[in-house]
Amino acid sequence: DTEVTQTPKHLVMGMTNKKSLKCEQHMGHRAMYWYKQKAKKPPELMFVYSYEKLSINESVPSRFSPECPNSSLLNLHLHALQPEDSALYLCASSQIPDGGKSPLHFGNGTRLTVT
Amino acid sequence: SQQGEEDPQALSIQEGENATMNCSYKTSINNLQWYRQNSGRGLVHLILIRSNEREKHSGRLRVTLDTSKKSSSLLITASRAADTASYFCATADNYGQNFVFGPGTRLSVLP
Repeated sequence: DTEVTQTPKHLVMGMTNKKSLKCEQHMGHRAMYWYKQKAKKPPELMFVYSYEKLSINESVPSRFSPECPNSSLLNLHLHALQPEDSALYLCASSQIPDGGKSPLHFGNGTRLTVT
Repeated sequence: SQQGEEDPQALSIQEGENATMNCSYKTSINNLQWYRQNSGRGLVHLILIRSNEREKHSGRLRVTLDTSKKSSSLLITASRAADTASYFCATADNYGQNFVFGPGTRLSVLP
């Protein structure tokens, strides 16, 4: 079992829906990440939160809106998605942004299908 | 981008054999990490090697790093069917925030 919990595990949504993905960790980590992964591809970085502040946004379309309510929680709000946004969305955390000295801890992801 | 490149993209071996995967990257790094991903699951950290280290071991895993060639290799010895997974190398920028993953190697270990 992973120490990073993502809900829901699976999500099917229409292009006009609004939904949210949730991620939670209780390891005291101060950096949290959203990655998007298409089939047979590596994870692609979307957003990084460092000490609850958005520090990296990898030119992600505005239909994806991240939120970090506190140091343990990370949300990804979804609105007006396209079918090509269907993917596995992975949340990860690390102790602090420290030059890659700390490993990333991943959740098992949310499998998103946009119809 | 300091994205790593893995080769081979896919590797199929028999149980008990050794598996070697290679990773190349483009820019200077502080550290390089290897991760494993079972199908449809999250990634699991395997091993981290610092830029001033040349080799590191963890159980049946051996990682080497050649900063002059900007390359790393992951060796899994005495492979098992449970080692079947995708393996990714990852590098981070100096702030450790922008972890970038290579394309990965899909390893199949046949019983």
